[in-house]
Amino acid sequence: GNSVTQMEGPVTLSEEAFLTINCTYTATGYPSLFWYVQYPGEGLQLLLKATKADDKGSNKGFEATYRKETTSFHLEKGSVQVSDSAVYFCALSDPGQGAGSYQLTFGKGTKLSVIP
Amino acid sequence: NAGVMQNPRHLVRRRGQEARLRCSPMKGHSHVYWYRQLPEEGLKFMVYLQKENIIDESGMPKERFSAEFPKEGPSILRIQQVVRGDSAAYFCASSRGTEETQYFGPGTRLLVL
Repeated sequence: GNSVTQMEGPVTLSEEAFLTINCTYTATGYPSLFWYVQYPGEGLQLLLKATKADDKGSNKGFEATYRKETTSFHLEKGSVQVSDSAVYFCALSDPGQGAGSYQLTFGKGTKLSVIP
Repeated sequence: NAGVMQNPRHLVRRRGQEARLRCSPMKGHSHVYWYRQLPEEGLKFMVYLQKENIIDESGMPKERFSAEFPKEGPSILRIQQVVRGDSAAYFCASSRGTEETQYFGPGTRLLVL
């Protein structure tokens, strides 16, 4: 079956530090890949996505590149801010899971805390 | 331009009671997904519905849980005879079509005493 593995947290960084959150996946077909962010007490917000190999998703200074050869979709940001403190989820959708369903498969989440 | 709406945001039930969670998709979206998030875990898919149809319920527990998305009104996730293990955050997502990005609501946090 499909699965997503992301680095365990929590991750604590100082403001303006470089961020990497690793994410690898297994899938039966040709998945689309996503990063969602969850701020405390809120729902998930789509941060970025990539739908095919070598695509780069980017938003708000965050980037992730779909690497089919390493089955990875690592999240990066060059300079984090206190407001980036949240839980980050890597996810995939894979039409190969079954006709008519595009359910998302999530990693367990990585909690990021950025300190001033 | 309202997003996905869920209510209630917080729900407290005693063991054996029923819980009803509501989800109104974004305007123009006819596909609804329900996910459950247990403490310190990622989200797990439960069910995927289109108007008046359940498309995929492979993640739903076989007993006590049901979902519907009627022609008019919100999607409902119903949990009968709740137990403490049902305590979790339940998120609804909607999309315009089956290959479209899913947008999530703020969730309903269910606590079973």
